[in-house]
Amino acid sequence: GAGVSQSPSNKVTEKGKDVELRCDPISGHTALYWYRQSLGQGLEFLIYFQGNSAPDKSGLPSDRFSAERTGGSVSTLTIQRTQQEDSAVYLCASSPRTGERADTQYFGPGTRLTVL
Amino acid sequence: DAKTTQPPSMDCAEGRAANLPCNHSTISGNEYVYWYRQIHSQGPQYIIHGLKNNETNEMASLIITEDRKSSTLILPHATLRDTAVYYCIVSRIYNQGGKLIFGQGTELSVKP
Repeated sequence: GAGVSQSPSNKVTEKGKDVELRCDPISGHTALYWYRQSLGQGLEFLIYFQGNSAPDKSGLPSDRFSAERTGGSVSTLTIQRTQQEDSAVYLCASSPRTGERADTQYFGPGTRLTVL
Repeated sequence: DAKTTQPPSMDCAEGRAANLPCNHSTISGNEYVYWYRQIHSQGPQYIIHGLKNNETNEMASLIITEDRKSSTLILPHATLRDTAVYYCIVSRIYNQGGKLIFGQGTELSVKP
């Protein structure tokens, strides 16, 4: 079956530009998560969606970061006025929230963002 | 969520068992132990999880001590493809927000 997909796989942008990163979760998974991993750093939680609602946005580093989810499926992470410190791999994960593996998170391959 | 402590790196000979330890001395009764791994340049991959009992699946075995303060992930016959960073995470059952708190993990190098 299809796993979590993310696009683009790589994005190079100039400082100050806005970027949109897309995540397609596993079909039927109601929970969706965004994380980021900076060079040499661990994985850092950004935001969690249950359905189309985001009950936990505590990891978003600034108000330049926002995310939405529509139809309980696709999610978009938007970074406005990008800064060089935003350079990282942005990872999306989804989980079914029911069944034996309710809270098991399945990760996509990530989007590597480079801000010049 | 409880913090975990893992050795930063380990080596293992190909074909031998890899035993990766994890301490989680402050684990609560409603917290699971999860193991994920991240192969270079890929997203993390779920391996196994458990609450109290030992667990086994097609990838690995998880041994949890009786007091639940530590656990060991066992890869029974390590291959070169098992070279990765392994993360031990404790997470509440149906936890709030569902977020995973990743530490630094153990970098496992499987050598020929």
